[in-house]
Amino acid sequence: TAGITQAPTSQILAAGRSMTLRCTQDMRHNAMYWYRQDLGLGLRLIHYSNTAGTTGKGEVPDGYSVSRANTDDFPLTLASAVPSQTSVYFCASSAGQNQPQHFGDGTRLSIL
Amino acid sequence: AQSVTQLGSHVSVSEGALVLLRCNYSSSVPPYLFWYVQYPNQGLQLLLKYTTGATLVKGINGFEAEFKKSETSFHLTKPSAHMSDAAEYFCALLYNFNKFYFGSGTKLNVKP
Repeated sequence: TAGITQAPTSQILAAGRSMTLRCTQDMRHNAMYWYRQDLGLGLRLIHYSNTAGTTGKGEVPDGYSVSRANTDDFPLTLASAVPSQTSVYFCASSAGQNQPQHFGDGTRLSIL
Repeated sequence: AQSVTQLGSHVSVSEGALVLLRCNYSSSVPPYLFWYVQYPNQGLQLLLKYTTGATLVKGINGFEAEFKKSETSFHLTKPSAHMSDAAEYFCALLYNFNKFYFGSGTKLNVKP
């Protein structure tokens, strides 16, 4: 089934360690996004990419980095994890301007 | 400035009763508005969207929403709740062509 694949589904990580969350889409969508979802706060945009080779900062980018080497992949890296980064992370993609977003099933990350 | 406000973090209805989930927005440009649903341990799925044209929008699973510019609202309704409607619902505002603001979500509980 076409869509977005996120890996891992869940992870427990020690504070100070680095981690890369993977996201792959097979819909050939130009735009991709990373959100974090926290109770009572809804989804907040971390980083986005309008097309391969470009990235931009969202609402809460600090402590995170992304790359977009090709259309399909959009990994999110935490260079040195902190407990406040405990959250559920969602990757999404959209076909372009004014189009709805399609979401992966999320990665549940706990930083201890 | 753009923002989305969902009134009521939790809504409880009886099976067969009317569902009304409230969403108000603020936007400096004509808004594109969306409703998403999230089931436990899953990503968000698009229910319906308003871009231009007809202000009453029908979506999947019997849901519909009406765009009211004068009230800056985009409330989600369903005439008769079903147990399978229990989920969390997010209102979203599209801005800057492909970036979204999400509301903080409303959890719908359906009582038998």
